[in-house]
Amino acid sequence: DAKTTQPPSMDCAEGRAANLPCNHSTISGNEYVYWYRQIHSQGPQYIIHGLKNNETNEMASLIITEDRKSSTLILPHATLRDTAVYYCIAGYNNNDMRFGAGTRLTVKP
Amino acid sequence: SQTIHQWPATLVQPVGSPLSLECTVEGTSNPNLYWYRQAAGRGLQLLFYSVGIGQISSEVPQNLSASRPQDRQFILSSKKLLLSDSGFYLCAWSRWASTNVLTFGAGSRLTVL
Repeated sequence: DAKTTQPPSMDCAEGRAANLPCNHSTISGNEYVYWYRQIHSQGPQYIIHGLKNNETNEMASLIITEDRKSSTLILPHATLRDTAVYYCIAGYNNNDMRFGAGTRLTVKP
Repeated sequence: SQTIHQWPATLVQPVGSPLSLECTVEGTSNPNLYWYRQAAGRGLQLLFYSVGIGQISSEVPQNLSASRPQDRQFILSSKKLLLSDSGFYLCAWSRWASTNVLTFGAGSRLTVL
């Protein structure tokens, strides 16, 4: 799997957009980008994934650069419940999904 | 719909005692199954994954083992626990598909004393 790098922590004001970056400069052409989040003391929760095109679902939007070397997860209107650790993973149909340290997002009132 | 169950939710064990954590998935067949461990304040470490009955791949050499006796059952075991085995153990499953979305269980918190 491609290695990903994320900032260790970020803050966001409640109601504002949270933009979480991820670098995956060694990603190969058939590897997807996945985002998960983990709220304290719970199992990680899948958010979104994409290959080349930008993606949007009810939880978030995923913006992937044209060269696919980085991506940004956008939570359009962050709430206090979005405080969590966010993990970015890059891989293709692997049976060994590997999580890095992630970004600890704190949403502040 | 698919559901994943892990038990026990919480476990306190003495050093040197055995361990058995169980994970089952309902509502699907031939899932990929995974065991992860998360030490306090740390990220997730992949321990084992399985693509079928009796097929186990180990990521980290340690005193833990995994077994898959049935299609939707995944068991994590140890013969003798170490203090360093304390942590939050998570089971996850995914389908065979071009995208590998993981669904995690609620986790089992193990404290070794």
